[in-house]
Amino acid sequence: GQQVMQIPQYQHVQEGEDFTTYCNSSTTLSNIQWYKQRPGGHPVFLIQLVKSGEVKKQKRLTFQFGEAKKNSSLHITATQTTDVGTYFCQETSGSRLTFGEGTQLTVNP
Amino acid sequence: EAQVTQNPRYLITVTGKKLTVTCSQNMNHEYMSWYRQDPGLGLRQIYYSMNVEVTDKGDVPEGYKVSRKEKRNFPLILESPSPNQTSLYFCASSFTGLNGYTFGSGTRLTVV
Repeated sequence: GQQVMQIPQYQHVQEGEDFTTYCNSSTTLSNIQWYKQRPGGHPVFLIQLVKSGEVKKQKRLTFQFGEAKKNSSLHITATQTTDVGTYFCQETSGSRLTFGEGTQLTVNP
Repeated sequence: EAQVTQNPRYLITVTGKKLTVTCSQNMNHEYMSWYRQDPGLGLRQIYYSMNVEVTDKGDVPEGYKVSRKEKRNFPLILESPSPNQTSLYFCASSFTGLNGYTFGSGTRLTVV
């Protein structure tokens, strides 16, 4: 499948600070999905982006799909300790799923 | 409750002893898939299935087998486990395969 590169690998923030993780591909993506995995847990689907330039919000989370559909971002405003976990992007090519390596977020209270 | 159920949650076994990890979903999903998660390597797809009796290899299929005889079940079979198959395994399902997947709680396998 295609490769999606995700940065940064780790992010440590103080509670209340913002957080952003980026997902990049060298080729055009048909769609992109975002997941959150809490420590010791399993990935949980957050959202899907399909359209060029699409922006979706879920409370403090904002998801963007680039105009060229080669990159995506997840931004969390005013992080809370409940945001701790690893955030993955994932692209679909047919039935093949490829995940980014994830960004592990820690939040200091 | 809509869910993907994997069993067992934890398993320690010896090299060469055949094992099966079961996966069942109650959402009538067409698509099911197996992943392994390893530190520094992220989630990698082992096998996937688009419907009953339709399966295909993912990125890391060596050493694994699957079957899809019924829509709800998608077991992962390790015929002769080796220590490099020590990992955290996830089963997941999706209605269309083109949107989000629902993951099971995971199976932590240790092969000694």
